[in-house]
Amino acid sequence: SAVISQKPSRDICQRGTSLTIQCQVDSQVTMMFWYRQQPGQSLTLIATANQGSEATYESGFVIDKFPISRPNLTFSTLTVSNMSPEDSSIYLCSVSNTEAFFGQGTRLTVV
Amino acid sequence: GIQVEQSPPDLILQEGANSTLRCNFSDSVNNLQWFHQNPWGQLINLFYIPSGTKQNGRLSATTVATERYSLLYISSSQTTDSGVYFCAVDRLRNSGYSTLTFGKGTMLLVSP
Repeated sequence: SAVISQKPSRDICQRGTSLTIQCQVDSQVTMMFWYRQQPGQSLTLIATANQGSEATYESGFVIDKFPISRPNLTFSTLTVSNMSPEDSSIYLCSVSNTEAFFGQGTRLTVV
Repeated sequence: GIQVEQSPPDLILQEGANSTLRCNFSDSVNNLQWFHQNPWGQLINLFYIPSGTKQNGRLSATTVATERYSLLYISSSQTTDSGVYFCAVDRLRNSGYSTLTFGKGTMLLVSP
């Protein structure tokens, strides 16, 4: 198993600002994944972060809006840029070898 | 892409009742997982079950990969079982790594 620490756990932000979410894993992993869960919805993959290369984004998500850093094998950040109320969601990071494990999530409210 | 359908979408139970949640998927998958999302948003791993049957306390799960479905059984439900149950399947990308596709979940409410 993997222990994933994600912070902040929640935040309330003004529209037009940016928030950076941090994800720390207790072991080295090749891939880290970022998901978004809009209110009342399921989880949707935003991007996959591989250490040493640019993140791979899913359809509908772009780097300018959700820049990702992956400076080493245990850490990643996701930034939600130029936020609007539609960005209010839970953001989760995940790692997987065979079984996937998730951080506790960041509940973001944009006002 | 692969489709994951969960049923029922909502379920209300009296404490002590049993229930079965279903997950159908549209294509062959490498793996399948069941999660419970608690009211604080945290995803708790329940089962990693690409095939066969597993049991953990009052919960058990069965995946029939050849027929592309999985079942989650909850027996003697408790109020702490309330939350959303997600099924997620793991598909191998052309890039060589796997990503999870989630169903829409089953919202369970267990009343005292």
